[in-house]
Amino acid sequence: KQEVTQIPAALSVPEGENLVLNCSFTDSAIYNLQWFRQDPGKGLTSLLLIQSSQREQTSGRLNASLDKSSGRSTLYIAASQPGDSATYLCAVILDNFNKFYFGSGTKLNVKP
Amino acid sequence: GAGVSQSPRYKVAKRGQDVALRCDPISGHVSLFWYQQALGQGPEFLTYFQNEAQLDKSGLPSDRFFAERPEGSVSTLKIQRTQQEDSAVYLCASSLYAGLNYGYTFGSGTRLTVV
Repeated sequence: KQEVTQIPAALSVPEGENLVLNCSFTDSAIYNLQWFRQDPGKGLTSLLLIQSSQREQTSGRLNASLDKSSGRSTLYIAASQPGDSATYLCAVILDNFNKFYFGSGTKLNVKP
Repeated sequence: GAGVSQSPRYKVAKRGQDVALRCDPISGHVSLFWYQQALGQGPEFLTYFQNEAQLDKSGLPSDRFFAERPEGSVSTLKIQRTQQEDSAVYLCASSLYAGLNYGYTFGSGTRLTVV
C-alpha cells in the first residue's frame, strides 16, 4: 500500500520568509504527484501537478520538485504572505489513476 | 452549477442513526469520487464511479457504508448505524473524464459528527 508522509506537520513563519514543505512516498511507481491547498471549511484546491516523467513545476511563487527514484517531493514557497496560511496536502496517483493517496498535510501559518 | 455541491454542510447524528450525504457533481462530469477526511489527517479514498458504474469500492470501511449514483449524476453516500469513528469530513470530487488525470473539482465537504 502506498504511504505518503509530510514533514513538518505544522509550520509557523514570519511574512516574507521562503519555506520548504516535504513529502515522501513509499511506492515509486506513481503516475503523477499533486500539491493541494485546503482552507478551513473549504474543498481542496490543486496548486501544482507533476507528471512522473517531470522533475519540477512552477506557478508564481510556488515551485514543486519531484525525485521519483527516491520517493520525494518538495514544495517551495517564496516570499510567504499571510494569505498563504492554509494546510498543504501532497497526493500521488498510481498507474491505475482512479484514486489519490494523500499525506496528512502541513499546516502553515504565516504571521504578518 | 459551477462547482461540486455537497449537502448538508454539517450533520450531527446520534450513534446508531442512519445518514445520507449528497453530492451534486459538475454537470457532464463522468467520474465521481468520495473521500473521508478524519480530523488532522489527509483524505482517504472511499469509492469511485464512472457514470453510474461503481468501479472501485475498496475504500469503504465496512458494510455499513453504501454509495450509489443511479443516473450517473447525483451521488449519495449512506452510512447505516453510525459509530463515533465515522465522524469526519466527507469530500466528493468529480472529473470530466475517466480517472483523475484531467480536470476535476472537489466539493467543500460534509462534516459528520456522531454523538
